Amino acid sequence: EAGVAQSPRYKIIEKRQSVAFWCNPISGHATLYWYQQILGQGPKLLIQFQNNGVVDDSQLPKDRFSAERLKGVDSTLKIQPAKLEDSAVYLCASSSLTGHSNQPQHFGDGTRLSIL
Amino acid sequence: GESVGLHLPTLSVQEGDNSIINCAYSNSASDYFIWYKQESGKGPQFIIDIRSNMDKRQGQRVTVLLNKTVKHLSLQIAATQPGDSAVYFCAEKDPGTYKYIFGTGTRLKVLA
Repeated sequence: EAGVAQSPRYKIIEKRQSVAFWCNPISGHATLYWYQQILGQGPKLLIQFQNNGVVDDSQLPKDRFSAERLKGVDSTLKIQPAKLEDSAVYLCASSSLTGHSNQPQHFGDGTRLSIL
Repeated sequence: GESVGLHLPTLSVQEGDNSIINCAYSNSASDYFIWYKQESGKGPQFIIDIRSNMDKRQGQRVTVLLNKTVKHLSLQIAATQPGDSAVYFCAEKDPGTYKYIFGTGTRLKVLA
């Protein structure tokens, strides 16, 4: 099966500009996650969707970050305006929703964002 | 390519030896755990998982051990190969949710 697709792979912008990332999860996966991974650290959850609804966005800096998954399939994550500390890799992951609640997440290769 | 983690704890092992990577988790109620492998420039890749009602689970060349008493997880890799060089993360599932919390990671270097 095709994996999680993310684009772009790399993005360089200046601070205060805006940027958007796109993710297409594995077909049929109801749950979609966006993570931020700063160099040298583990991934940190930003937002979790189940179908087209937000399940957890408690760690999303809502003054500048937004995300949507309008049709319950692909998703976009936006930053506006960007700050220097937003430089990181933004990972998208998805997992299936079955009768058994414990299913591993499958990750895309991420978008590496550099803020100048 | 740029490293996933420049300042992570590092474990260096000789090719062919066994590797043991350790992880301490935070929530005694966590009911599901996953080990991921992350190579430079790539996303985390699922290796093996274990549920809290188990102490040990084996896969191909990998074994995960869970000690709930001390909230400790370990990943054992048998006959370590150069392709095993990567950063390894453990993740625990927040009980009652689909939210995962990742550890800080360990860099595994395989020496030829």
